[in-house]
Amino acid sequence: DAKTTQPNSMESNEEEPVHLPCNHSTISGTDYIHWYRQLPSQGPEYVIHGLTSNVNNRMASLAIAEDRKSSTLILHRATLRDAAVYYCILMYGNKLVFGAGTILRVKS
Amino acid sequence: DAGVTQSPTHLIKTRGQQVTLRCSPKSGHDTVSWYQQALGQGPQFIFQYYEEEERQRGNFPDRFSGHQFPNYSSELNVNALLLGDSALYLCASSLAFWLAGNEQFFGPGTRLTVL
Repeated sequence: DAKTTQPNSMESNEEEPVHLPCNHSTISGTDYIHWYRQLPSQGPEYVIHGLTSNVNNRMASLAIAEDRKSSTLILHRATLRDAAVYYCILMYGNKLVFGAGTILRVKS
Repeated sequence: DAGVTQSPTHLIKTRGQQVTLRCSPKSGHDTVSWYQQALGQGPQFIFQYYEEEERQRGNFPDRFSGHQFPNYSSELNVNALLLGDSALYLCASSLAFWLAGNEQFFGPGTRLTVL
């Protein structure tokens, strides 16, 4: 299974943008890039996913490098409710392979 | 829409016992996946069911088995429980397992403690 590398933790100020990086140098052409987040005491929550092009939805934006070996999840205005563990996942078929994720702390 | 539901919420068992966890998928979803999440770690894929058959399996021993019913709900069974089986067990549902890239919807999980 292809692996991803993320920083262990990041910190952001409330109402400022947050850029969460992810490296996936062994990605194959058919792997989708997925982001999920997990709030304390909850199951993971889907955030966004993409294959080659940048993607936007109501929660976030996903910027994918041209060579697809890295991507960045962008939260446009962080709120206290965005404090969570963020997982960058390569998905082939329908199986999610989670890494350790990035703990995002948001300061008020 | 109730989303993905799991039961029970919490469970305490002793070593050697057997346990059954249950999951009802989000309305309209036909694929159910199970994950194990140890404390402080990311979820680990156990297996996935579609059309009442196990379609994919992660690196888990045969003590872990499952079932999917005609209404798409699913059970996870663990036999001969070990202390190391203590974890949060997550169920996720999705549509059409053969479609690459589909988002998965997770339930709140069942917290299993093995004493």
